[in-house]
Amino acid sequence: DARVTQTPRHKVTEMGQEVTMRCQPILGHNTVFWYRQTMMQGLELLAYFRNRAPLDDSGMPKDRFSAEMPDATLATLKIQPSEPRDSAVYFCASGLSTDVRYTFGSGTRLTVV
Amino acid sequence: QKEVEQNSGPLSVPEGAIASLNCTYSDRVSQSFFWYRQYSGKSPELIMSIYSNGDKEDGRFTAQLNKASQYVSLLIRDSQPSDSATYLCAVKPGKLIFGQGTELSVKP
Repeated sequence: DARVTQTPRHKVTEMGQEVTMRCQPILGHNTVFWYRQTMMQGLELLAYFRNRAPLDDSGMPKDRFSAEMPDATLATLKIQPSEPRDSAVYFCASGLSTDVRYTFGSGTRLTVV
Repeated sequence: QKEVEQNSGPLSVPEGAIASLNCTYSDRVSQSFFWYRQYSGKSPELIMSIYSNGDKEDGRFTAQLNKASQYVSLLIRDSQPSDSATYLCAVKPGKLIFGQGTELSVKP
């Protein structure tokens, strides 16, 4: 089965450090989402891309978060500087704009101490 | 008001019973509605999608949509312990927005 691949699976970092999370969408998928999941807030949409162009990043704290798609096979989410409140599971999901079914990656569990 | 609202639960049902999960949404232009299942420590997986008013059945799962009431539900018939998970309602008015999820526990 085709999969969305996220790296790293786990990341522990100190407050103030830069964190980069990577996502390889399913080949041929043109829509990519970044979500953050916490117990308190549930699944929050941070940003999404279609055909590598950012369509909506209104859910993302702009002062420290940035999301990019340098090419069709790679999406990145960067946090600089990281804070303890950023501790969460970050999911990437991909799909086709013509198909409403989206596939999630396994997530990156981030802990900022 | 949150865009997509669900009862957080937990909802506990005995094995073999019907589990009923509910969801309301605020954006009237929403056209696509989904139910995802998420096991503890895992990623969400799509189990049902519905686009038109009425019922849609897939095996033991039935999704119900009422656009006038802005209401979506999921019924799970003959609930099994393996159905124990968090069920997430998602709505697509362009981007995919999730509710908080309802935790379901099916007791043997």
